Amino acid sequence: GAGVSQSPSNKVTEKGKDVELRCDPISGHTALYWYRQSLGQGLEFLIYFQGNSAPDKSGLPSDRFSAERTGGSVSTLTIQRTQQEDSAVYLCASSLAVGGAYNEQFFGPGTRLTVL
Amino acid sequence: GNSVTQMEGPVTLSEEAFLTINCTYTATGYPSLFWYVQYPGEGLQLLLKATKADDKGSNKGFEATYRKETTSFHLEKGSVQVSDSAVYFCALRDNFNKFYFGSGTKLNVKP
Repeated sequence: GAGVSQSPSNKVTEKGKDVELRCDPISGHTALYWYRQSLGQGLEFLIYFQGNSAPDKSGLPSDRFSAERTGGSVSTLTIQRTQQEDSAVYLCASSLAVGGAYNEQFFGPGTRLTVL
Repeated sequence: GNSVTQMEGPVTLSEEAFLTINCTYTATGYPSLFWYVQYPGEGLQLLLKATKADDKGSNKGFEATYRKETTSFHLEKGSVQVSDSAVYFCALRDNFNKFYFGSGTKLNVKP
């Protein structure tokens, strides 16, 4: 596609359920990033992928959060046993490369997660 | 740890007024600095960036200069337009490719 796409656009779930959020980066982009934006807050960096590997997972808020990327393309962010404080907009971005001159990030529209 | 602090909004200006949105950062090493903009109903997009001290990023009439001595990257525009109404985010990328964003500043420009 022309840009980064994310699905679903909105997700309402009950506390304790698992959710899976999907990100389709721009074709050819090797780097992929996940962020969380809580109401009235800035973006919280969660994790990034260079290809299929994530060099640093320390930004994930807890062990209930995990992310994977396969085939150097689609990524999924999984939240297990969701809690109300997980409610936020989850943003995905991709860039041609991680560093250097080709690191401009292109953001997707986000997934709004509401945990009841 | 690394962090970005930007002025709280909303900032309300009349068209053609001068804009400054302050941004300061705390970081080890040599971060790159960015301003992102989010127009109503749209996703975040890069506005400008600077990768080393004294660099000036510019785009669409906006400018920001990487000031290492004051750890600042203030966003300026000489004459704002109604179409500049948006939320502006200051961000840094550290030496480990992790990004840190400020909380965003909403700008309202009135005709």
